[in-house]
Amino acid sequence: AQKVTQAQTEISVVEKEDVTLDCVYETRDTTYYLFWYKQPPSGELVFLIRRNSFDEQNEISGRYSWNFQKSTSSFNFTITASQVVDSAVYFCALTGRGTDKLIFGTGTRLQVFP
Amino acid sequence: GAVVSQHPSRVICKSGTSVKIECRSLDFQATTMFWYRQFPKKSLMLMATSNEGSKATYEQGVEKDKFLINHASLTLSTLTVTSAHPEDSSFYICSARRQANTEAFFGQGTRLTVV
Repeated sequence: AQKVTQAQTEISVVEKEDVTLDCVYETRDTTYYLFWYKQPPSGELVFLIRRNSFDEQNEISGRYSWNFQKSTSSFNFTITASQVVDSAVYFCALTGRGTDKLIFGTGTRLQVFP
Repeated sequence: GAVVSQHPSRVICKSGTSVKIECRSLDFQATTMFWYRQFPKKSLMLMATSNEGSKATYEQGVEKDKFLINHASLTLSTLTVTSAHPEDSSFYICSARRQANTEAFFGQGTRLTVV
């Protein structure tokens, strides 16, 4: 069975703080794909990153960075120098090779205060 | 990223009527489209998966006669909520992807209110 756990329900930070959103996954597939999506108050989900199970290199994109650790089955997301516009719900998701389903975690609501 | 357009963004309807929601991939052909439902402050619940030209695959507990899904072309899928009731009020989101295991792109979502 596949499962994604985002233990942090809500996080509040003050602007310019760094924040890390945790994601732990479970899967029996040897080939799988991990995603992060952002859902701002408008509701639309915005794709942030896709990572396959064979690529453990960390990724940095501007203020965003991702740490993929197969040994701990984690795919954590860090926002550096957070901004008010980063306030949103962030979802981690997982799919396995040969399956159509994208399994979502329960999401982490991030609030960045000025 | 690719663009997925969902329409309408908001709809209010009376109990007993049917509502159709459209999901279009604007700049790519989507072999698979997905329909999700999201309750307030909750995660996304997959309702069904649709492949162009074939019947949709519904998740357990989702009534296929109530939530009719049609995937008529590689760029359009529709969800029709038939005989809507207040408990069907929710946020419905579609997503589309080019091929298996690639990223899915999401529509803007439709907030359905049944009065």
